[in-house]
Amino acid sequence: EAEVAQSPRYKITEKSQAVAFWCDPISGHATLYWYRQILGQGPELLVQFQDESVVDDSQLPKDRFSAERLKGVDSTLKIQPAELGDSAMYLCASSPGQETQYFGPGTRLLVL
Amino acid sequence: DQQVKQNSPSLSVQEGRISILNCDYTNSMFDYFLWYKKYPAEGPTFLISISSIKDKNEDGRFTVFLNKSAKHLSLHIVPSQPGDSAVYFCAASLGGGFKTIFGAGTRLFVKA
Repeated sequence: EAEVAQSPRYKITEKSQAVAFWCDPISGHATLYWYRQILGQGPELLVQFQDESVVDDSQLPKDRFSAERLKGVDSTLKIQPAELGDSAMYLCASSPGQETQYFGPGTRLLVL
Repeated sequence: DQQVKQNSPSLSVQEGRISILNCDYTNSMFDYFLWYKKYPAEGPTFLISISSIKDKNEDGRFTVFLNKSAKHLSLHIVPSQPGDSAVYFCAASLGGGFKTIFGAGTRLFVKA
């Protein structure tokens, strides 16, 4: 069964450093989402792509976060510089254009 | 401003009995609602959904009920099994997977 791939699974970094997360959605899925999940809370949408275009990045802290999906397939989420409060699980999901989203295993980030 | 609320952080149920998980929302523009299940160290997986034009959707042991006038939905699991022990997230969207907002989750424990 096709799955959403994410790497790395775990990342430890020091504050002020740059970090990047990668996501490969299920083949053929036009919609890609990045979420941040803080412990004890639900996933919070950071950015939504339709093919290579951003359709919603209203909750993305644009002073330090950036996301791209250049060829409309895989995607990268970057944080520069990382802050202590960025410690969280970063989840990627994809969808064929319907409501249901298929999530990857996530990248757990710890900022020291 | 929590637009989707799951007020019970945890729920404990005996195996074979019914589990009822509740979710409230504030935005009357939401037109699609979903439940996701999450095991530790994994991403959320889709469980069941309901469109705002319906008031019930059933899939095996899982049934979702929607009360639009009360802005409330619930997930019923009958009979509950130990393998159902997980965190359950309620989510709502404006349609087409746009502006998906998740609740904080309810941790279900099913005791054998």
